[in-house]
Amino acid sequence: GNSVTQMEGPVTLSEEAFLTINCTYTATGYPSLFWYVQYPGEGLQLLLKATKADDKGSNKGFEATYRKETTSFHLEKGSVQVSDSAVYFCALSDRDSGGYQKVTFGIGTKLQVIP
Amino acid sequence: DAGVIQSPRHEVTEMGQEVTLRCKPISGHDYLFWYRQTMMRGLELLIYFNNNVPIDDSGMPEDRFSAKMPNASFSTLKIQPSEPRDSAVYFCASKGQGSSGELFFGEGSRLTVL
Repeated sequence: GNSVTQMEGPVTLSEEAFLTINCTYTATGYPSLFWYVQYPGEGLQLLLKATKADDKGSNKGFEATYRKETTSFHLEKGSVQVSDSAVYFCALSDRDSGGYQKVTFGIGTKLQVIP
Repeated sequence: DAGVIQSPRHEVTEMGQEVTLRCKPISGHDYLFWYRQTMMRGLELLIYFNNNVPIDDSGMPEDRFSAKMPNASFSTLKIQPSEPRDSAVYFCASKGQGSSGELFFGEGSRLTVL
């Protein structure tokens, strides 16, 4: 079956540091890939997505590139802010054997940015 | 659109009591998902529906859990009887058929079973 593996946190960075959160996936088909963000006390919300190989998703200074050859979708940001402190989830969407679209999430990586 | 609406936002109950969580998906969305989030296990898919029909309930932990979707605008997740280990945040999410897979989440229902 499909699976998503992401680095476990927590990750603690100083403000303006460079961020990388690794994510790799296993899928039988051609999935779409996503990063979701969860701020304290809230539900998950979409941060960025990529639907095919070599696509780059970007939003709010975050970027991730769909790498089919390495089955990866690493999240990066050049300069993090305190307001980026949240939990980040990597996810993939693919159709199962019945043709239904199923979404699989990674375990989530907590990011804490200190001033 | 108002987004995915869940109720209650917080529920505190005693062991053995019945708990019912409610979800209203985004109008026009034909997939609905129930997730449970805990510190130990992260985000777990419990069950999902397509066009009101349960497709995969393999994530439902045991017979104490049940979920229904009587129409396109309403779903419930019921726990009977509840146990302390059921304490978690329960999320509902919905998705449109034509989307690339993006889910829209509600704000969650935080359940505490004493």
